[in-house]
Amino acid sequence: GDSVTQTEGLVTLTEGLPVMLNCTYQTIYSNPFLFWYVQHLNESPRLLLKSFTDNKRTEHQGFHATLHKSSSSFHLQKSSAQLSDSALYYCALSEDTNAYKVIFGKGTHLHVLP
Amino acid sequence: GALVYQYPRRTICKSGTSMRMECQAVGFQATSVAWYRQSPQKTFELIALSTVNSAIKYEQNFTQEKFPISHPNLSFSSMTVLNAYLEDRGLYLCGASPGQGHERLFFGHGTKLSVL
Repeated sequence: GDSVTQTEGLVTLTEGLPVMLNCTYQTIYSNPFLFWYVQHLNESPRLLLKSFTDNKRTEHQGFHATLHKSSSSFHLQKSSAQLSDSALYYCALSEDTNAYKVIFGKGTHLHVLP
Repeated sequence: GALVYQYPRRTICKSGTSMRMECQAVGFQATSVAWYRQSPQKTFELIALSTVNSAIKYEQNFTQEKFPISHPNLSFSSMTVLNAYLEDRGLYLCGASPGQGHERLFFGHGTKLSVL
């Protein structure tokens, strides 16, 4: 079945350094939708980015990601981390024909230090 | 803006009893509602997907007998955890979608269920 893999459970880095959170996926569908959700403490998950176009960079709030179907990846990046970026980040996948069924990765906790 | 209110935020129930959680969509029509569970140390698992005027689809390992869902209109959905036991502990999340194709889900804050 479909799955999403986030290899890092916790990423700790100093403010100002670049961020990269890994995400790879497995699916039998040729046109998957990939998402990044962010969940701050005591809040609900909120959509950060989404993409379904191969090799096209998607950006929002300083974060960006590019869907690469050849490597089944959708890594999240930011050039300079801010303290307010500390949160739980989930990579997620949905099939193009059933967009409401979203499959989540295990999540990566980003901890930004001053 | 679009919001989803989910309540209660936390609940504790005795083993073998049942508890109900509700989601209210505000600012959009919740054509589809997905219910998820995040068990301790795990990611979000889809329990079921409910679409107004369609049958509710349960995922493997989840049944209507255990997690009955009601989705009577475009703004409200509820799910009950029947005969809750320790393995049912976790954060239950509802996500509602206006059903406009590949749109995102708007999530509630979740209901944290503890079982004694």
